[in-house]
Amino acid sequence: DVVLTQTPPTLSATIGQSVSISCRSSQSLLDSDGDTYLNWLLQRPGQSPQLLIYSVSNLESGVPNRFSGSGSETDFTLKISGVEAEDLGVYYCMQATHAPLTFGSGTKLEIK
Amino acid sequence: QVQLKETGPDLVQLTQTLSITCTVSGFSLTTYNVHWVRQPPGKGLEWMGAMWNGGGTDYNSAFKSRLSISRDTSKSQVFLKMNSLQTDDTAKYFCARGVMGITDYWGQGVMVTVSS
Repeated sequence: DVVLTQTPPTLSATIGQSVSISCRSSQSLLDSDGDTYLNWLLQRPGQSPQLLIYSVSNLESGVPNRFSGSGSETDFTLKISGVEAEDLGVYYCMQATHAPLTFGSGTKLEIK
Repeated sequence: QVQLKETGPDLVQLTQTLSITCTVSGFSLTTYNVHWVRQPPGKGLEWMGAMWNGGGTDYNSAFKSRLSISRDTSKSQVFLKMNSLQTDDTAKYFCARGVMGITDYWGQGVMVTVSS
């Protein structure tokens, strides 16, 4: 199975600060169809996960553009440019290139 | 609008069978896939399996021998059945809509406790 290693496990940020989360894959996530199925999700406290970014860098509809994704092959980053209070929760990367789908272990964002 | 709702028991006895229904609205099961994902208390997400829009299924090998996913397209429902439950199956179980490697809508989840 593909292992996704997320760092850091926890992140503490002030409002307005920019932060980045890394997701490293044990295998290339470039699919034979040319797409890279690496997504980012946010799970706010007590809620279901919600999709933020799909296919590395595509912003899901309705998601603020302070969120951005980048990377390729095995190395991916989620950046939040100017953290807001509503951004607190656990961020997960998720891959769907290789079966079974797998998730990173999560990065908990706390607001100082 | 797109919605998914899981219904199932709060409590299941050790070694018994878990049955959860995911009822969807706002989209067709013949167009979109439905994934099952679980989350033990305080832990991360684990993909269990999927019902593909064409009617096929895929399972995480960690569950393959005891997990079954099926559907009733006329009722817009997808079913999860897992037998031989153990205490470490205590988790919140989610269904999520899938398309092209994306899980874009998730249900609220159902918390299931396995009790001895």
